[in-house]
Amino acid sequence: EVLLVESGGGLVQPGMSLRLSCAASGFSFDDYAMHWVRQAPGKGLEWVAGITWNSGNIGYADSVKGRFTISRDNAKSSLYVQMNSLRAEDTAFYYCAKDASSIGAAGGPFDYWGQGTLVTVFS
Amino acid sequence: EIVMTQSPATLSVSPGERATLSCRASQSVSSNLAWYQQKPGQAPRLLFYGASTRATGVPARFGGSGSGTEFTLTISSLQSEDFAVYYCQQYNKWPSWTFGQGTKVEIK
Repeated sequence: EVLLVESGGGLVQPGMSLRLSCAASGFSFDDYAMHWVRQAPGKGLEWVAGITWNSGNIGYADSVKGRFTISRDNAKSSLYVQMNSLRAEDTAFYYCAKDASSIGAAGGPFDYWGQGTLVTVFS
Repeated sequence: EIVMTQSPATLSVSPGERATLSCRASQSVSSNLAWYQQKPGQAPRLLFYGASTRATGVPARFGGSGSGTEFTLTISSLQSEDFAVYYCQQYNKWPSWTFGQGTKVEIK
């Protein structure tokens, strides 16, 4: 069974940093691209960042570019996002999601999602 | 950035009736279009990819169609468990994925 478990959310003040983690199990983690997607309370979904299986290709939404850094550790089957210079508008549930496309593919839909971790940025 | 526009924002439907949800892309995404279902307090669930291919476990009453810029999700006979928010997503080009703003299907 595929399982994605996020951790690291919490309350922070504007300008501060937070690192989220996602522990993956139930599939060959190093075969798949992975993503972070966020959802502000009561709002829609926003793709945040994605990373290919070997970290060779990384992308960010314009809203977080220069502030967030996605990374992975295939030996630990874990995905991370380092979030710096946090703003009130970064308040959201952050989901870890598995890309359905495996090695060599360009990227696809998200076939498994974690339950999310809440980040609240308040002053 | 490719903008995805869903309509309507809210759809009020009686159980057993048919529901039709639309998604439009600001430029062609070929068939690189997915649909997700999200219920309150839950993570999204993949329903369709490739515009019309059902994900594992999705009931046959759900149908997906379209290509290019116009896409449709249909639910032939709404069941109580189908009342949720539905999102479309394009994945046409790395590294850019965008979602529509969602359509809420509510009980009439």
